[in-house]
Amino acid sequence: DTGVSQDPRHKITKRGQNVTFRCDPISEHNRLYWYRQTLGQGPEFLTYFQNEAQLEKSRLLSDRFSAERPKGSFSTLEIQRTEQGDSAMYLCASSRDFSADTQYFGPGTRLTVL
Amino acid sequence: TQLLEQSPQFLSIQEGENLTVYCNSSSVFSSLQWYRQEPGEGPVLLVTVVTGGEVKKLKRLTFQFGDARKDSSLHITAAQPGDTGLYLCAGTRVGNEKLTFGTGTRLTIIP
Repeated sequence: DTGVSQDPRHKITKRGQNVTFRCDPISEHNRLYWYRQTLGQGPEFLTYFQNEAQLEKSRLLSDRFSAERPKGSFSTLEIQRTEQGDSAMYLCASSRDFSADTQYFGPGTRLTVL
Repeated sequence: TQLLEQSPQFLSIQEGENLTVYCNSSSVFSSLQWYRQEPGEGPVLLVTVVTGGEVKKLKRLTFQFGDARKDSSLHITAAQPGDTGLYLCAGTRVGNEKLTFGTGTRLTIIP
C-alpha cells in the first residue's frame, strides 16, 4: 500500500514538552497538507507545502508550531512547549500538483497533552 | 460562522432504510469531496465532484453536486451497519488550496 503514512499514531506527552510528528505523502504527490481535528469537529487547515516550499499558514499555527518539508518528500510538524489545548488529532494529506485536486489523508497522529 | 453546514448532525436509523445527508454553503466551490471517518482514523475519500449538477454513484451511495456548486448531498439506499461512521463534506474554493470541512454527520445504522 502506498498511501499517506504518519508516525507516531499516538503520542502522550506532558505539558511543556516538545513533540514532532512525521508524514510521508503518496510518492508522486507534490502537495502536502497538515490539518488538526478536535473531538466532534471536522479537520481544520494548518499549513501546506508545494514541494519544499511552505505556501500558506493558518492563523491556528501559533509561533510554537513549525512545519518543514526539507527535500520535498516527507514533512515534520513540531510543537514546542505543548499545552493541553494542543491535544487533538493531527492529520496529513497529500495531492498532485494542480489546484483543487483530491487530497488523500493519512491515519493521523493522536496527541494527548497531560 | 461555519462555511460548510452539514445536516443532520446526528442520524440513527434502522438497517435497510434510506437516508440523505446535506452539505450547504453560501460560497461557490471548485470541487467538493465526501469522506468517511472511523474513530481514531483519518478521513477516507468516498468521492470527488467538480461539475455543477454532477451525480456520481458508488454502489448504494449517490452523490450530487448542486448546479451552482454551493451545495451537495449524499444519499444512501438500504443502509447497512457497515455504513456507520462520521461523514464529512469538504470543498476547495477557487484560488484557495486548502480544504474547508463541514461540521460532519455522525451516522449510526442499527442492525
